[in-house]
Order: sequence, then C-alpha cells, then structure tokens
Amino acid sequence: GNSVTQMEGPVTLSEEAFLTINCTYTATGYPSLFWYVQYPGEGLQLLLKATKADDKGSNKGFEATYRKETTSFHLEKGSVQVSDSAVYFCALAKGTASKLTFGTGTRLQVTL
Amino acid sequence: GAGVSQSPSNKVTEKGKDVELRCDPISGHTALYWYRQSLGQGLEFLIYFQGNSAPDKSGLPSDRFSAERTGGSVSTLTIQRTQQEDSAVYLCASSVTQGVYEQYFGPGTRLTVT
Repeated sequence: GNSVTQMEGPVTLSEEAFLTINCTYTATGYPSLFWYVQYPGEGLQLLLKATKADDKGSNKGFEATYRKETTSFHLEKGSVQVSDSAVYFCALAKGTASKLTFGTGTRLQVTL
Repeated sequence: GAGVSQSPSNKVTEKGKDVELRCDPISGHTALYWYRQSLGQGLEFLIYFQGNSAPDKSGLPSDRFSAERTGGSVSTLTIQRTQQEDSAVYLCASSVTQGVYEQYFGPGTRLTVT
C-alpha cells in the first residue's frame, strides 16, 4: 500500500538557519504530494503541494520538489523564523477519492 | 466564509458508552473526510464521503465505527461501545469535490475514553 516516511524530530534550529525536512514515499503510479503544517493550538493547514514529477510547490518561503527518481518530496526553507515553529506533515494522495496518507510528522522548534 | 467546524471540541466518556462526533463542512464542499490523530498511529484516514455516499470506508478500524452524511452537508461519526484505544483527536476535512483538491481541516474533537 501507500506510505510516507519523514524524518523524526524534533528539529531545533536558530532563527535564520536553513531548514530541510526529509520525506520519501512509496506508492504505485503517480501520487500527488503535500506538506501540511499544524501550528500550536491550530488545525492542519495545507502548506504546499505538487501534483506531478519535477513540480515545485512553494509557499511562505518554503519549497519542495517532487522527485520521482528518488521518490522524495523534501521540505526546505532558506531562513526560518520563530513563527515557523510547528509540526510539519508530509502526505500523498491518489485516485478519485484522494484520501491523504500522512507521515508521522516532524516537530520544528525555532529559537532566537 | 466559515471554515470546517466540529463539535464537541472535547469529549470525555466512559468505556462502553456510545459517542457521536459532528462535522460541519465548508458550504458547497461535496467531499468530506474523517481522519484520526493518535499518539500511537499518527494521522490515519477513516472514511470519505462524496455527497451523501461513502465510496471508501476502508479506514474504519472496526464495526463499532460508523458515519453518515445527510443533505450533502453535516456528517456524524459514531463510535459504539467505546474502548480506551479509541482515545484520539478526530479530524474532519472537506474539499470542493473529489479529486486532488485542497482539503480544509476542522479543529478536531479530542476524545478521551476513561
């Protein structure tokens, strides 16, 4: 079946540091890939998505590129802020229903 | 407009009791999803509705779990004879229609079974 593996956290960074959160997936065919974010006390929000190979999703300074050859969708940001502290979930969806299959989530803590 | 709302926000129940969790999707969204977020299992899919039909119930963990949707809008997730392992945050999401569209999540219902 489909699955998503992402790096375990927590990840602790200083403000303005470079962020990478690794995500790899297993799926037949061509899934769509997503990053969702859960800020403290808030619900899940879509951060970015990519629907086909080599697509780059971007939002709020975050980027991720759909790499079919390595089945990866790593999340990057050049300079993190304290306000980026949250839990980040990588996910995939396939087919008509497009139910989401999530990774375990990575907690990011950014300090001054 | 209003986002996805869920009620109650918190529910504490005794083992063996039945509970009902409610989801109000964004108006006009025809696709509705239920997920569960627990420490042991992470975020997992439960059931999906397109309109009032549930084409995919594959994530329901046992026959104690059921869900319905009426009028293409409100959905209710019912758990009968609750067990401690049912303790989790139950999330509802809606999407404009089926397919690869953004799913908008509600704040969740935290269920605690004592």
